[in-house]
Amino acid sequence: ETGVTQTPRHLVMGMTNKKSLKCEQHLGHNAMYWYKQSAKKPLELMFVYSLEERVENNSVPSRFSPECPNSSHLFLHLHTLQPEDSALYLCASSQDIGGPYGYTFGSGTRLTVV
Amino acid sequence: AQSVTQPDIHITVSEGASLELRCNYSYGATPYLFWYVQSPGQGLQLLLKYFSGDTLVQGIKGFEAEFKRSQSSFNLRKPSVHWSDAAEYFCAVGFSGGYQKVTFGTGTKLQVIP
Repeated sequence: ETGVTQTPRHLVMGMTNKKSLKCEQHLGHNAMYWYKQSAKKPLELMFVYSLEERVENNSVPSRFSPECPNSSHLFLHLHTLQPEDSALYLCASSQDIGGPYGYTFGSGTRLTVV
Repeated sequence: AQSVTQPDIHITVSEGASLELRCNYSYGATPYLFWYVQSPGQGLQLLLKYFSGDTLVQGIKGFEAEFKRSQSSFNLRKPSVHWSDAAEYFCAVGFSGGYQKVTFGTGTKLQVIP
């Protein structure tokens, strides 16, 4: 399978639940990203990984915990979320960071916190 | 700090009409410039990019964009819009010299009327 695959596509969770979002890419890219997309707000960069090392943690609350076990997989672990965390969470990858490389995005996980 | 401005939040065009979406950036050096498109419920897809050379770049789906250094602009154009072009369009800016995060504009939503 090519491109960036995100699972699940939709997720409804209570504020006390723990869940994980998964992202997988088979493009041979070295960099992976998590973005949050909320209605009427710009895309928010959450985390950046380059060759499995976290490069950026953009002041994200600790209830979001990323994991990058290898350059093809990226997870976002969620626990004790708030209703304002409801959003579309997008994973992306690029050949490398810091160059003229466009991003390949997944279709996103639509998260609803109830 | 670098910034990206998409002055038009929403644009409506008739099918078959020409389209121009505006993007302005603020940065001292020549940036890397990107346009992405997002259909409802989907991730972003790269339409085209510029990083050097010919200032008129061709992309997928019949889109093109022109880099104008004097105006700090990178406007997206299409000579004849199709109903399937209805989507949200994002301009993005990246920079050379090690890792610096890509900055996305707030998006322009395109409506196509018959």
